[in-house]
Amino acid sequence: AQRVTQPEKLLSVFKGAPVELKCNYSYSGSPELFWYVQYSRQRLQLLLRHISRESIKGFTADLNKGETSFHLKKPFAQEEDSAMYYCALKVQGAQKLVFGQGTRLTINP
Amino acid sequence: GAVVSQHPSRVICKSGTSVKIECRSLDFQATTMFWYRQFPKQSLMLMATSNEGSKATYEQGVEKDKFLINHASLTLSTLTVTSAHPEDSSFYICSARVHTSGSISYEQYFGPGTRLTVT
Repeated sequence: AQRVTQPEKLLSVFKGAPVELKCNYSYSGSPELFWYVQYSRQRLQLLLRHISRESIKGFTADLNKGETSFHLKKPFAQEEDSAMYYCALKVQGAQKLVFGQGTRLTINP
Repeated sequence: GAVVSQHPSRVICKSGTSVKIECRSLDFQATTMFWYRQFPKQSLMLMATSNEGSKATYEQGVEKDKFLINHASLTLSTLTVTSAHPEDSSFYICSARVHTSGSISYEQYFGPGTRLTVT
């Protein structure tokens, strides 16, 4: 079965420091990977997807098929980045997303 | 962007009663909607996939007779928790998939969630 693993439940870094949220997946086919973010008291929203190869709010994520990873990175963390981050996988032909357990990121001033 | 609403945002009901949660796509048509359950400080657990005009597809371990899903129109899906028990207390979230003709892009838009408390 497909699975998404986010090994860190909690991650705390200082403002201005680099941040990396890890995501690993298990799927033998061609995956679509996403990062979703949930700010305090707000709904879940799409941050970025690997297909777009974009940078959103300074965040980037590269799909590494060899390591089956899709880590989220930002070179200089900001306090407003504090939120819950979820990595999600969509398999070919399926409609649903498989979510990881989430990582709560806290940026300390 | 596409907006998904849920109603009510909070509901308290007595054990043994049923409660209905609505999920609406406000400015787009959603042929596919999803219902999730989220426990405190945990991830989203997909309960079922709801396709307009057909029966919902439930995930393993989710009781379809307890969690009734109806997707009668392209903008509305409902989740009815029947004979609710305290262990059904949770945060229920819906999402809708946006279908764009000719696009390979896939995206789910999420509702704000409904907090259900069963006393």
